[in-house]
Amino acid sequence: DAGVTQSPTHLIKTRGQQVTLRCSPISGHKSVSWYQQVLGQGPQFIFQYYEKEERGRGNFPDRFSARQFPNYSSELNVNALLLGDSALYLCASSRESNEKLFFGSGTQLSVL
Amino acid sequence: AQRVTQPEKLLSVFKGAPVELKCNYSYSGSPELFWYVQYSRQRLQLLLRHISRESIKGFTADLNKGETSFHLKKPFAQEEDSAMYYCALSGKSGGYQKVTFGTGTKLQVIP
Repeated sequence: DAGVTQSPTHLIKTRGQQVTLRCSPISGHKSVSWYQQVLGQGPQFIFQYYEKEERGRGNFPDRFSARQFPNYSSELNVNALLLGDSALYLCASSRESNEKLFFGSGTQLSVL
Repeated sequence: AQRVTQPEKLLSVFKGAPVELKCNYSYSGSPELFWYVQYSRQRLQLLLRHISRESIKGFTADLNKGETSFHLKKPFAQEEDSAMYYCALSGKSGGYQKVTFGTGTKLQVIP
């Protein structure tokens, strides 16, 4: 099993641009959640999706959006990028919505 | 609102010494608590969860609802325990299931 895979691994964007991050969960996992991790901080919850429906949303602006596809993969979109969006974005999957999380290696986003 | 506090950014102990990584939480309902670990150049992974009441790699953690704590303990630290440790709480917030992480504690085991 490949585990949770995320793409791309690194990304550089400029302010105002839009970005799409992708995540493929472990086979059989129906829940995907997204986290933002700024250097020196713990992961901050952004979204959770289960069976293609949004099941959780953290305290992030509407510039952040996500979706889950029928194959349970997921995308995180961030519009109108700000310098403060620079962070490691982690995807995690779980079999059900409240079970233990399996994390991907993350996408390192740098906004210049 | 749910909150997780890890008061120590860095904890340094000698090999063979006992380890206690502190975690306090704030949550109005019945929380589900976890410890996640990140070893150097590896991805974040689950160490243990309170409902399992198991010992993983010699680590244990007991939920103390009176003190709202979930401290991680190990009687004898090993060099391979050096890593970043995150306490996390899973609970319902506004009808949604949400996982809240603490800021993490870096454990450094000195040979």
